Amino acid sequence: AQSVTQPDIHITVSEGASLELRCNYSYGATPYLFWYVQSPGQGLQLLLKYFSGDTLVQGIKGFEAEFKRSQSSFNLRKPSVHWSDAAEYFCAVATDSSYKLIFGSGTRLLVRP
Amino acid sequence: DAGITQSPRYKITETGRQVTLMCHQTWSHSYMFWYRQDLGHGLRLIYYSAAADITDKGEVPDGYVVSRSKTENFPLTLESATRSQTSVYFCASSGTVSGANVLTFGAGSRLTVL
Repeated sequence: AQSVTQPDIHITVSEGASLELRCNYSYGATPYLFWYVQSPGQGLQLLLKYFSGDTLVQGIKGFEAEFKRSQSSFNLRKPSVHWSDAAEYFCAVATDSSYKLIFGSGTRLLVRP
Repeated sequence: DAGITQSPRYKITETGRQVTLMCHQTWSHSYMFWYRQDLGHGLRLIYYSAAADITDKGEVPDGYVVSRSKTENFPLTLESATRSQTSVYFCASSGTVSGANVLTFGAGSRLTVL
């Protein structure tokens, strides 16, 4: 069965510092890969997605993610974090275009002033 | 308004009561999904539907019932609510909008079972 692991429950970074959130998936073929962000009390917003092609994907709000097949990873990065980036981040996979998503347990990002 | 709407947004009920959460989408998307969100678990798929009258179980279907008599609606029913079903429930739909495949989530329904 497919699964998604986000090994970091919490991450704290200083404003202006770089960020990397880890995501590993378990699936035999290349899945559809997604990163979502959820601000407190809010719904889910899609940051970016990977289906095929260039393994470095650009998203909204200055985020990017890199698909590494050899490591079964899809880590999210941002070169300079803003205080407004404090939120919970979810990695998710889908195995086909139905977009039936399997989510990781999430990483809560805290930003120090 | 185009989009996906959930109702009610907030619901408090008692153990043993029946509760129905509604989900309506305006795009005629084929696929619809129900997820629940709990601390430490992320979002877990409860049920999904590939089309009207076609539904299937997800990861955590026990205690829930769904139906899809119309493409645009996908209600989720808790036939006898339990405290463990206190959660935030998200509905989603996926399909084509202006030629592109999209997946959209509703704003969520927060359910408290006392």
